[in-house]
Amino acid sequence: EAGVAQSPRYKIIEKRQSVAFWCNPISGHATLYWYQQILGQGPKLLIQFQNNGVVDDSQLPKDRFSAERLKGVDSTLKIQPAKLEDSAVYLCASSMMANRDSEAFFGQGTRLTVV
Amino acid sequence: GDSVTQMEGPVTLSEEAFLTINCTYTATGYPSLFWYVQYPGEGLQLLLKATKADDKGSNKGFEATYRKETTSFHLEKGSVQVSDSAVYFCALSGAGGTSYGKLTFGQGTILTVHP
Repeated sequence: EAGVAQSPRYKIIEKRQSVAFWCNPISGHATLYWYQQILGQGPKLLIQFQNNGVVDDSQLPKDRFSAERLKGVDSTLKIQPAKLEDSAVYLCASSMMANRDSEAFFGQGTRLTVV
Repeated sequence: GDSVTQMEGPVTLSEEAFLTINCTYTATGYPSLFWYVQYPGEGLQLLLKATKADDKGSNKGFEATYRKETTSFHLEKGSVQVSDSAVYFCALSGAGGTSYGKLTFGQGTILTVHP
C-alpha cells in the first residue's frame, strides 16, 4: 500500500516570497491533516479536512496561509508571503475517518527554510 | 486547552538497558492516547495506542498503560536496541472537542542507544 506522498522534500525561499506544498493521501482516506513542526517541538495542527470540507482551521494563520483539497483527494498548502518564523517541517497526514481512535499515517514532510 | 508534556530529553542508553519515557496529559473528557515514533529519515509512524483507562498498548516490545488517575501514559521497554534510536512523541486525540482525529503532541524525546 502506497503511503502519504509529499513534495517537495526541501524548500528554501526568501522572506516575503510564496511557496506551495503538495500532499497525496493514502487512497480511500477521507480525512487529511496538515501539521507544522518547528524544530524541537511536536507537530501542531494547521488544518483538517474531511473529504473536501474543512473541519478545523482554527490554528491556521489565515492572513498568510491557505489550503485546499479539491475533489477530496490531494491537497495543497500555500504560504504567501512567508516569514522567517514559518521555517519548519510541514507534515501531511491522512486517516480513514475522523474519530478519536483512528491511526493517522504521516508523509515524510517538507522542510521549509525561510531566509 | 488540551496539552501533552513529555520528559525532558535527550535520553542516551546502552543496548539492553531499561527505557522509560514519561508522558502526562491535560484534557477535557476521555481522550485516546498514542505514542508515535520517528526514525531517522522517515515519517512519523504509530507505535502503540490505548483508547480507555487501564488499557495497555504494546508493540515491538514497547508498552504503555493509560492511567486516568495520574493522567499519564509512560512508554517502557525492558531491553532497548540500537535500532530503537529515534524521536518518540506522545499524543492525544478526541478529548471532548469537535475535532475528532486531531492529534495534540508532546515536544518529543530523542532516544539514542549505544552498542
